[in-house]
Parts: sequence; C-alpha cells; structure tokens
Amino acid sequence: KNEVEQSPQNLTAQEGEFITINCSYSVGISALHWLQQHPGGGIVSLFMLSSGKKKHGRLIATINIQEKHSSLHITASHPRDSAVYICAVSYVYGGATNKLIFGTGTLLAVQP
Amino acid sequence: NAGVTQTPKFQVLKTGQSMTLQCAQDMNHEYMSWYRQDPGMGLRLIHYSVGAGITDQGEVPNGYNVSRSTTEDFPLRLLSAAPSQTSVYFCASSYSLIYEQYFGPGTRLTVT
Repeated sequence: KNEVEQSPQNLTAQEGEFITINCSYSVGISALHWLQQHPGGGIVSLFMLSSGKKKHGRLIATINIQEKHSSLHITASHPRDSAVYICAVSYVYGGATNKLIFGTGTLLAVQP
Repeated sequence: NAGVTQTPKFQVLKTGQSMTLQCAQDMNHEYMSWYRQDPGMGLRLIHYSVGAGITDQGEVPNGYNVSRSTTEDFPLRLLSAAPSQTSVYFCASSYSLIYEQYFGPGTRLTVT
C-alpha cells in the first residue's frame, strides 16, 4: 500500500463544475503540499497545509489531521485548470522531517 | 529572482556515459533535493541536502552522486548511465520541508 494515495487517478469535468481531489496518507507528517503540473511542464506549489483550510482564488485546500486526509477543491473549473495535481506529505521520521512522499497524481481534464 | 534553474532541459546519453545535471537556486534555501519522475509513479527522492556540505541518500540513490559545496548549487552526477535511468529529473529547493517547495523546470534524460 502506498503511503500517500490520491483519488481519483483521472477526472474529466465540464467547464464550470466543482471539482474535488482527495489525498489520504498513512504516515506521520508535519505538512501536506498540493502541487500542479501542466502537461510537459514544471511543477508549481499550490498550497502547503499543516492544519485547517487555505483558499487561493478558485482553489481551496483542506486537511483533517486526525483522519489523515486532505482535499483540493476547484470551484468554477476552467479548461486552463487541466493539469496533474499532486499531493505530497512532509514525512516525519525519527523526530525529523527530512523527505517528501508523493502521491501518483490526479490527471484532470476540464472540457469547454 | 531566477528561482530554481536546471540545465540541460534535454539530454540523450549512451549506456555507460557519465554526465552532470546542474541545479542552482538564488533564494538562499538550505534544503535542496533531486527527484525522478517516471510514468505511473510518484516523484521519488534520489538525494537531498539540508545545507552546504551536508548530503544524504533518498529512496533511489543507486547510480547517482551529489555534492553541495555552496548553498546555491546542487549538481547530480550520473556515474555510468543505464537505460533504467531514463526519466525526467526535477531539482527542488525550500527553506525546509514545512515551507513552500520550489521546483526547477526539469531535465528529460534518455539513455539508449
């Protein structure tokens, strides 16, 4: 079982739809990151969370530490949101945070 | 700020050749890391550094070498390239793993 699992793996939506991508993890963490990667492109950080909720424009990220779960929501989706969304956790081991563990990503396609 | 820069963007090597992937950042970040990204798998950590003169192995270090002589630079050396090292390589930097992560644009490496 992967330490960080995302669902769904693939998602197709119509422009304007509300989108939710989920991330569950099984290890101790000090932070959780949501990243975006456009096809053939680089990786951009969207959010870093250690508790609660953050909002940036049409994007909202939440985390529930007790349930070891995070969600990324996109409101009023647009074709330019089409990308791979990656969840990563800052892994705590031996009292130190020294690496990120990544999910395999969710490929989102938003159709006009 | 240029952020995180990587060179080259593309490289083709023959089996057994060696090369160095360059990574530099101008944000005075202590933490730098190298990842490889393969289809169907999450990003995997090759090596990381928590400051100049300090490096450590990640989960897939075999066949790779790193050094960190300055805060700015973190080169990745392939000692004797193998087809299994065909991948996209990303360098990243941050103040630490509980802060925003900054990724370079990636290097697409093919080993024939």
